[in-house]
Amino acid sequence: EADIYQTPRYLVIGTGKKITLECSQTMGHDKMYWYQQDPGMELHLIHYSYGVNSTEKGDLSSESTVSRIRTEHFPLTLESARPSHTSQYLCASSEGGTPFFGQGTRLTVV
Amino acid sequence: AQKVTQAQTEISVVEKEDVTLDCVYETRDTTYYLFWYKQPPSGELVFLIRRNSFDEQNEISGRYSWNFQKSTSSFNFTITASQVVDSAVYFCALSEAKVGFQKLVFGTGTRLLVSP
Repeated sequence: EADIYQTPRYLVIGTGKKITLECSQTMGHDKMYWYQQDPGMELHLIHYSYGVNSTEKGDLSSESTVSRIRTEHFPLTLESARPSHTSQYLCASSEGGTPFFGQGTRLTVV
Repeated sequence: AQKVTQAQTEISVVEKEDVTLDCVYETRDTTYYLFWYKQPPSGELVFLIRRNSFDEQNEISGRYSWNFQKSTSSFNFTITASQVVDSAVYFCALSEAKVGFQKLVFGTGTRLLVSP
């Protein structure tokens, strides 16, 4: 099982601000993912990575960007936050077939 | 395209009742994985089980059991003698059985409320 950490847990921020959601895992997993969970509870893949220097967009179009400079770190950035970005963001990692998730960041843009 | 349907939006039971959460899936893949995750009010997604498409054996883990039936494309989850701590949203998910990368397709979740 992965130890995977997300910070912050909760974030309230004003429109137009730049934000970075942090995600780190300690198990050395190559595959990492970002899912967005809207208030209706549906989860959608927005970004994933096969390993260092690999990033791909998921099924749901997102204005966020990600980077993977180190195996253990997969941060997500929003250059200019908008109220439509209000959601919960869940990070996951996997090796061997099962994604394990962090605790999530609940983002509110006012 | 892959799809997961959890028709039950919300279920309310009284403690010690048994409850079954339904999951029906669609996929054209011949090999795939099925998952159940639990999301308590704190928000994290907790992994419960993964099933491979070639393994239709039912599984029991304590008060939890899972019934996988390929013929009906269903992967139902039963909680026996439910407890208040079981209150959460439960998600069923599906992915291709590829080595490594697991893109999960989630159902919309079933909220389970267990009252004392």
